[in-house]
Amino acid sequence: TQLLEQSPQFLSIQEGENLTVYCNSSSVFSSLQWYRQEPGEGPVLLVTVVTGGEVKKLKRLTFQFGDARKDSSLHITAAQTGDTGLYLCAGAAYGNKLVFGAGTILRVKS
Amino acid sequence: DAGVIQSPRHEVTEMGQEVTLRCKPISGHNSLFWYRQTMMRGLELLIYFNNNVPIDDSGMPEDRFSAKMPNASFSTLKIQPSEPRDSAVYFCASSFGGLSVYGYTFGSGTRLTVV
Repeated sequence: TQLLEQSPQFLSIQEGENLTVYCNSSSVFSSLQWYRQEPGEGPVLLVTVVTGGEVKKLKRLTFQFGDARKDSSLHITAAQTGDTGLYLCAGAAYGNKLVFGAGTILRVKS
Repeated sequence: DAGVIQSPRHEVTEMGQEVTLRCKPISGHNSLFWYRQTMMRGLELLIYFNNNVPIDDSGMPEDRFSAKMPNASFSTLKIQPSEPRDSAVYFCASSFGGLSVYGYTFGSGTRLTVV
């Protein structure tokens, strides 16, 4: 079974601070995706990383895929209250299924 | 595009009753997925269809759960009989070509409460 572990489980920070969320596995994934979910809604795709070592930037968000394609990180610079939500990583598993991590709940206070 | 449409948004039912959740995927998407989300277990894949054919139902918890996709624009997830432990948010998602770099598009979910 391919499992994805996310850390931390919960993060509460002040607006303007930086933060990093981690997604780790003992398995290799062909690709990895990050989603953000807001209360009462479904997850929304933020980014897909495919190549080991790949770095992608989306405004204040920086995503990195580990060289061995077993882990990933999401770094947010100067967090804003609008960044509040549940951040989920998901790996492409055998049979083209997406396996989701348990998520990191981020709360950004003003 | 209206996105993935799920109905109802909320469902409260009594234990033992039949529950049917509905999903309309994005037009042109040929893969459809049913997920269940709880605080304890996170997002779990229940079943997925490709070109209306069930490909993997290994995540379906037990025989009380069944899913159908009679055509490319409609799918149902049925629970009969329902139990309190089935209470969760059920999401439908669709994609083009199974897993793609464009990811899955999720609906807003159905919050099911079985009392």
